[in-house]
Amino acid sequence: KAGVTQTPRYLIKTRGQQVTLSCSPISGHRSVSWYQQTPGQGLQFLFEYFSETQRNKGNFPGRFSGRQFSNSRSEMNVSTLELGDSALYLCASSLLSNRGNAEAFFGQGTRLTVV
Amino acid sequence: DQQVKQNSPSLSVQEGRISILNCDYTNSMFDYFLWYKKYPAEGPTFLISISSIKDKNEDGRFTVFLNKSAKHLSLHIVPSQPGDSAVYFCAASRNAGGTSYGKLTFGQGTILTVHP
Repeated sequence: KAGVTQTPRYLIKTRGQQVTLSCSPISGHRSVSWYQQTPGQGLQFLFEYFSETQRNKGNFPGRFSGRQFSNSRSEMNVSTLELGDSALYLCASSLLSNRGNAEAFFGQGTRLTVV
Repeated sequence: DQQVKQNSPSLSVQEGRISILNCDYTNSMFDYFLWYKKYPAEGPTFLISISSIKDKNEDGRFTVFLNKSAKHLSLHIVPSQPGDSAVYFCAASRNAGGTSYGKLTFGQGTILTVHP
């Protein structure tokens, strides 16, 4: 069974540009979450999608947005990039039961560098 | 507000001995806890989880203990191996009531080094 796939693995962008990251979850997983990892802030939750609906959002500015498609693939977009957006962006997929407890499986991440 | 804390930035252990990684949380609404292992520039790898209705869960060399009254969990690795050297993150989620599906709150991580 294929794992979570994130593309691209590495990106270099200039301040002010926008960027779109892609995530393909494990087959059958309908929940996709995004996290940002930086040395200073650790792993921080961005947002979570389930059946194409955003169910939860972390404390990030509106420049960070996402969406999920009917095949559960997800994209996140960051507009007007700032130097502080340089980070490892991680996508995780889960097979959530009605009780909600399920492990999240992470992709390899996209390393974004803003110059 | 750091709701999940790993107070030890690093831990060094001899091969074959026990590694004990600790994690504290402040939000009493958390009811599911997970441990992940992470190498640099890679995504976290799931290790083991525990529901708040249990106080212990084992999987091979890994055992997680949960003390709800103390809001504390720990990961025991026995015996420790050099390949266990990585950053370990604990994470918590709140799923009762259904308002936090899929959201994990992570600790800052503990760097484990296992010496041969």
